[in-house]
Amino acid sequence: GAVVSQHPSWVICKSGTSVKIECRSLDFQATTMFWYRQFPKQSLMLMATSNEGSKATYEQGVEKDKFLINHASLTLSTLTVTSAHPEDSSFYICSASKGRADTQYFGPGTRLTVL
Amino acid sequence: ELKVEQNPLFLSMQEGKNYTIYCNYSTTSDRLYWYRQDPGKSLESLFVLLSNGAVKQEGRLMASLDTKARLSTLHITAAVHDLSATYFCAGGGSYNTDKLIFGTGTRLQVFP
Repeated sequence: GAVVSQHPSWVICKSGTSVKIECRSLDFQATTMFWYRQFPKQSLMLMATSNEGSKATYEQGVEKDKFLINHASLTLSTLTVTSAHPEDSSFYICSASKGRADTQYFGPGTRLTVL
Repeated sequence: ELKVEQNPLFLSMQEGKNYTIYCNYSTTSDRLYWYRQDPGKSLESLFVLLSNGAVKQEGRLMASLDTKARLSTLHITAAVHDLSATYFCAGGGSYNTDKLIFGTGTRLQVFP
């Protein structure tokens, strides 16, 4: 149990376009979802925390207007990278937990390349 | 704010040898996690350590936690090539702060 999926697995887009990434908890209800970004050979950096039905909490330095997060249901959160630029190219990983302080279950990641 | 540091950043070791990866954290953390990441893949959960003195073992990997020293270790016994990966420790994930703060990662390469 506790499976998290992400879609798409990888995406290539042109500079200036927007890209949406979905994160789904397949067999449990996720009250909290987290979005991370990982640049090559670097660690994971938390971008934002989202709770179902409320606005996401963004980490310092993360532009909320650029990285739109919607946690519309207990099984789905989306991250939209608006007006993507090459510097947004990265590996985006989501995680989901059943409740506060519960284990985070990680999705398989989405590799975004912006040309 | 919690900061997590790992060392070494890169570790090249011969099969059959033992080695330890260290994870220091800056402030009180209720929990300490260890993850494995293979190239191009997401994270695989290895251990969660919840209390001082906790020790967990799975195969050739053993993790321990010393909350007084704010130190966790991941010990590798008789390394094999399949253990080649990047290992991350992370603090947080508790009632005080449910977000995880990751260490820098240790890239482990095991050669014959």
